[in-house]
Amino acid sequence: NAGVTQTPKFQVLKTGQSMTLQCAQDMNHNSMYWYRQDPGMGLRLIYYSASEGTTDKGEVPNGYNVSRLNKREFSLRLESAAPSQTSVYFCASSEGGAGHTQYFGPGTRLTVL
Amino acid sequence: QKEVEQNSGPLSVPEGAIASLNCTYSDRGSQSFFWYRQYSGKSPELIMSIYSNGDKEDGRFTAQLNKASQYVSLLIRDSQPSDSATYLCAVREGTNAGKSTFGDGTTLTVKP
Repeated sequence: NAGVTQTPKFQVLKTGQSMTLQCAQDMNHNSMYWYRQDPGMGLRLIYYSASEGTTDKGEVPNGYNVSRLNKREFSLRLESAAPSQTSVYFCASSEGGAGHTQYFGPGTRLTVL
Repeated sequence: QKEVEQNSGPLSVPEGAIASLNCTYSDRGSQSFFWYRQYSGKSPELIMSIYSNGDKEDGRFTAQLNKASQYVSLLIRDSQPSDSATYLCAVREGTNAGKSTFGDGTTLTVKP
């Protein structure tokens, strides 16, 4: 039982390049989330998927797109990377609903030059 | 104004002391409240969740919730050096999506 996995662990991009961050969970959770964490700050929600087939914007969605590929997988795409997107990206999943715990993946450390 | 505010750190306590971490939130419709611990370079992990007014104890950790005053706190008794980490307060809205808002965190250092 791996929990929440993310790939890649590290990535360096040049301004304007694109990439997709992958996330998968094996806990049969309904809801999945993408956060970014900048140094000294908390987590800010980028996008979330309450259930398979649905996605919604979070607090900071600009410059990102997501795909809920199936119940297990939720990907985050940067179409044209900018230095302001340098951050650590965490994927999380939960059973869904207000009372359920979120479980986090190990994170992807992204640097945009 | 940020929706979830945590007391500014860093917080330093001696080993064996009580560490007190505070969090206030602005959305009165919030239903669920969580404390996560995050070690440097690692992902957040859940310590406590609390849903009703009052105290909830789990080992050395006690979460306190006061919805009327819109604050939630975390007490760590008999603090250990291994408790040194950043503590994140998360507040969740009462919808099926369970979308959470996080505070910026308070960094705790427990000195031996």
